[in-house]
Amino acid sequence: AQSVTQLGSHVSVSEGALVLLRCNYSSSVPPYLFWYVQYPNQGLQLLLKYTSAATLVKGINGFEAEFKKSETSFHLTKPSAHMSDAAEYFCAVSVSWGAQKLVFGQGTRLTINP
Amino acid sequence: EAGVTQFPSHSVIEKGQTVTLRCDPISGHDNLYWYRRVMGKEIKFLLHFVKESKQDESGMPNNRFLAERTGGTYSTLKVQPAELEDSGVYFCASSQGSMRANSYEQYFGPGTRLTVT
Repeated sequence: AQSVTQLGSHVSVSEGALVLLRCNYSSSVPPYLFWYVQYPNQGLQLLLKYTSAATLVKGINGFEAEFKKSETSFHLTKPSAHMSDAAEYFCAVSVSWGAQKLVFGQGTRLTINP
Repeated sequence: EAGVTQFPSHSVIEKGQTVTLRCDPISGHDNLYWYRRVMGKEIKFLLHFVKESKQDESGMPNNRFLAERTGGTYSTLKVQPAELEDSGVYFCASSQGSMRANSYEQYFGPGTRLTVT
């Protein structure tokens, strides 16, 4: 069975500061990992995905994540936060890259301070 | 291209009543998923359709929930009778499902916020 733990339900950073959102997973098979973002009153949007190719994955809006098998982690980072990054972020795992259900973490709400 | 749409955006009903949620996937997407987020908890999978067939309904909480996808287009999720613990945000997602790269990306709708009082 797969599970995802996101450390910190709320993260607050200053504009221009580093964004680091933590995600640890548990999976009995090699995982496929995803980060989604939800802006207010919108659906979840895929930021990036790891599908067993490069371990450093670049996504939209300047975000990237690194798959670390030894640490079972897939943390999301962005070098410089922008006010528009304020949203809720979800890490998710799937057993394969295909028509499979996603298992989500609890979500992390990111606040950007001016 | 229109995204995944869900109706209604909000619904407030009393315990014991019936509610039907609707999801219109992106045109041409064979895969349709329902997820639910209870307040303060993670988003949880409910079920997965491939066209009109239920591929995986392992996440359905109980038999008060009935999902259909007639004709393989839009889907409905009926809760009858609703209980207090059914409150939450119900998300629908769809994916294309061909062999082309990225065709399995799930596109999510904005969700339906259901409140049972």
